[in-house]
Amino acid sequence: RKEVEQDPGPFNVPEGATVAFNCTYSNSASQSFFWYRQDCRKEPKLLMSVYSSGNEDGRFTAQLNRASQYISLLIRDSKLSDSATYLCVVNHGNNNDMRFGAGTRLTVKP
Amino acid sequence: DAMVIQNPRYQVTQFGKPVTLSCSQTLNHNVMYWYQQKSSQAPKLLFHYYDKDFNNEADTPDNFQSRRPNTSFCFLDIRSPGLGDAAMYLCATSRRLSTDTQYFGPGTRLTVL
Repeated sequence: RKEVEQDPGPFNVPEGATVAFNCTYSNSASQSFFWYRQDCRKEPKLLMSVYSSGNEDGRFTAQLNRASQYISLLIRDSKLSDSATYLCVVNHGNNNDMRFGAGTRLTVKP
Repeated sequence: DAMVIQNPRYQVTQFGKPVTLSCSQTLNHNVMYWYQQKSSQAPKLLFHYYDKDFNNEADTPDNFQSRRPNTSFCFLDIRSPGLGDAAMYLCATSRRLSTDTQYFGPGTRLTVL
């Protein structure tokens, strides 16, 4: 099983749609979780951290389910500018290194 | 203002010819990371420095080495690049390990001829 696994995508959605991504992780000792956004041929940038209680930032909502070992990202009212690859990042637990998922590609169309 | 700077942005080298990629940061962060990212794949951690302490990932080939002469700078040396080493190399920093946000540089795209 991969350490961090994401929905394969790609997701092609119309503007205004709601879209959700899931990410599962294998190490039950993991403590820190993040969503990063990566535009084509650019570096990853932090979108949001994921807290145990869940957190919301504008149109973006992140949730953590420790029992099932997954995190999710919900994007409401999608904009064209949301088109990107969304990377799930989880700390590895034992040695505190971060592990990246392969990313889910989102394309928002007019 | 750029906080994590990578030079050069594009590097072309020949098969087997040593190459050095550089990274500098203005954040005064303790941790610096080097990742390799190939097309449509996740960034793969090669190694990281916590201050002067070097931590190599178990599956990082010996062909890849790193140096951190001071807090601000970190170098990635590829001793004998192979065709399979063509990739984007990303440098990142964070204040601490594990729980902190990582700030990435723009990356260096390496081509091996």
